[in-house]
Amino acid sequence: GAGVSQTPSNKVTEKGKYVELRCDPISGHTALYWYRQSLGQGPEFLIYFQGTGAADDSGLPNDRFFAVRPEGSVSTLKIQRTERGDSAVYLCASSADRALNTGELFFGEGSRLTVL
Amino acid sequence: KQEVTQIPAALSVPEGENLVLNCSFTDSAIYNLQWFRQDPGKGLTSLLLIQSSQREQTSGRLNASLDKSSGRSTLYIAASQPGDSATYLCAVKRRSSASKIIFGSGTRLSIRP
Repeated sequence: GAGVSQTPSNKVTEKGKYVELRCDPISGHTALYWYRQSLGQGPEFLIYFQGTGAADDSGLPNDRFFAVRPEGSVSTLKIQRTERGDSAVYLCASSADRALNTGELFFGEGSRLTVL
Repeated sequence: KQEVTQIPAALSVPEGENLVLNCSFTDSAIYNLQWFRQDPGKGLTSLLLIQSSQREQTSGRLNASLDKSSGRSTLYIAASQPGDSATYLCAVKRRSSASKIIFGSGTRLSIRP
């Protein structure tokens, strides 16, 4: 697609449920990032993929959070046993291979997660 | 550990004024620095990207500068307009083979008509 696409745009779930958030990056972009943003704060880094592998997952808050990118394109962020504190906007961004490009980051519109 | 700070957290100025937003970072070994705009309830829109070898970038009424030695970047907005009202975020990518990008907490800008 022309830009980074994230689905769903809004997700309301109950405490303890499992949630999946999807990111479809710009075609050909090898780098993919997940961020979490709370109201009034800057985006907080979660995980960074280069191709299919997680190059840096140091931002994942705990083992309830997991992300995959099996074919090096679409990525899914998975949250198990959701808690109210997981409520935030989850942002996805992609970037072309840094050896070939400037490393400019392009963001999707985000998935707003509300845990009741 | 890279830390990115943006001061002030909020700024309100009358229309037509020139203004400067500040971004500071603790580790000068960066690959690039990018400025973004975020409107309420929306994703981030890239404004300007400065490579580590560059000192400034310009786009229309926007000019971003980079001083790695002092760990600072500024975003200059000329002749501000009400449509410039938004949150402005800076983000730094470290100079390593696979590095995350760290954001500041943003400056919420309001331009008064």
